Amino acid sequence: GDSVTQMEGPVTLSEEAFLTINCTYTATGYPSLFWYVQYPGEGLQLLLKATKADDKGSNKGFEATYRKETTSFHLEKGSVQVSDSAVYFCALSTGGGNKLTFGTGTQLKVEL
Amino acid sequence: DAMVIQNPRYQVTQFGKPVTLSCSQTLNHNVMYWYQQKSSQAPKLLFHYYDKDFNNEADTPDNFQSRRPNTSFCFLDIRSPGLGDAAMYLCATSRDRAVGGSTDTQYFGPGTRLTVL
Repeated sequence: GDSVTQMEGPVTLSEEAFLTINCTYTATGYPSLFWYVQYPGEGLQLLLKATKADDKGSNKGFEATYRKETTSFHLEKGSVQVSDSAVYFCALSTGGGNKLTFGTGTQLKVEL
Repeated sequence: DAMVIQNPRYQVTQFGKPVTLSCSQTLNHNVMYWYQQKSSQAPKLLFHYYDKDFNNEADTPDNFQSRRPNTSFCFLDIRSPGLGDAAMYLCATSRDRAVGGSTDTQYFGPGTRLTVL
């Protein structure tokens, strides 16, 4: 079955540091890939998405590139801020179906 | 702004006392989902409505029911809450490709945090 593996957290960074959160997937077919962010006590917000190989999703300084050859969709940001502190979920959807498969989430803490 | 709204944000109920959580949307999306999210875990899909068609996940307990009286509203009913049902409940919506959307992109509400005493 489909699955998503994320690097375990928490990840603690100083402000302005470079961020990478690794995400790899296993899926039948050609999945769409997503990053969602969840701030404390809130629901999930779509951060970015990519629907085919080599697509790059980007939003709010975050980027992720759909790498079919390595089945990866790593999240990156060049300079994190304290306000980026949240839990980040990698997810996939296959075949235009209605089910999202989530990774376990990675908590990011950014300190001054 | 178009959005997904959940009420209440915080709900406290007693063990075994039925509770209903509500979700409304102004996005005019035809698909609505309910997820359960326990602390430090990923959201778990309970069921979804594709238009009026109800789709239950195989491992969703019978204790959980849902109603969708119209396109905009969807309800989650927990018939006899147990301590293990304490969680954040998330509603999400998406729009089918057949009507110009992308089913696989889901938009989430802020969630209702349920406490069972």
